[in-house]
Amino acid sequence: GAVVSQHPSWVICKSGTSVKIECRSLDFQATTMFWYRQFPKQSLMLMATSNEGSKATYEQGVEKDKFLINHASLTLSTLTVTSAHPEDSSFYICSATYTGELFFGEGSRLTVL
Amino acid sequence: QKEVEQNSGPLSVPEGAIASLNCTYSDRGSQSFFWYRQYSGKSPELIMFIYSNGDKEDGRFTAQLNKASQYVSLLIRDSQPSDSATYLCAVKVGGTSYGKLTFGQGTILTVHP
Repeated sequence: GAVVSQHPSWVICKSGTSVKIECRSLDFQATTMFWYRQFPKQSLMLMATSNEGSKATYEQGVEKDKFLINHASLTLSTLTVTSAHPEDSSFYICSATYTGELFFGEGSRLTVL
Repeated sequence: QKEVEQNSGPLSVPEGAIASLNCTYSDRGSQSFFWYRQYSGKSPELIMFIYSNGDKEDGRFTAQLNKASQYVSLLIRDSQPSDSATYLCAVKVGGTSYGKLTFGQGTILTVHP
């Protein structure tokens, strides 16, 4: 199967700072990647669709100015949580499709103090 | 009403028993149905997908789909302690990307020796 890798696996930051999470497709090219968020004991919720070379499309209720997504190459998408606050603490998971199957990265656990 | 709803857990079964996980969905335009397994602190991994009414078997796992009843289930035969995890039902609505899945809240399964 295809491999999607995220970095960092976990990050702790102070309130008000910005955090960048990288998502890479290691053995295939992904023109589209998907960012999900999972709060403790809840299910995954799609945040946005990252499109290579164009603007991301955000799901309803997701602030595009807070969650900046950049998809500058066919193998890399980044999610920047700007001015992070404790309520942004969550498990962020990126994914990409390959041959009709959705592959998830390992996830990045963000804790905002 | 939630778009994708799973039977409330947690579900506890003895080793060797059959575990039955259920999921209902509200959008009749849903075309593809997925079962993911998620271990604590990890990202989801795909177990099975099903598109057509009826049963689909893969090893110890059987997915069942009934579009008329808007119901999909997962049976795990000969359950093992290593099957203990959260099981997520996910649905793709027709016309949308394979990356845009709607997840249920998950059912926690514990298989005890």
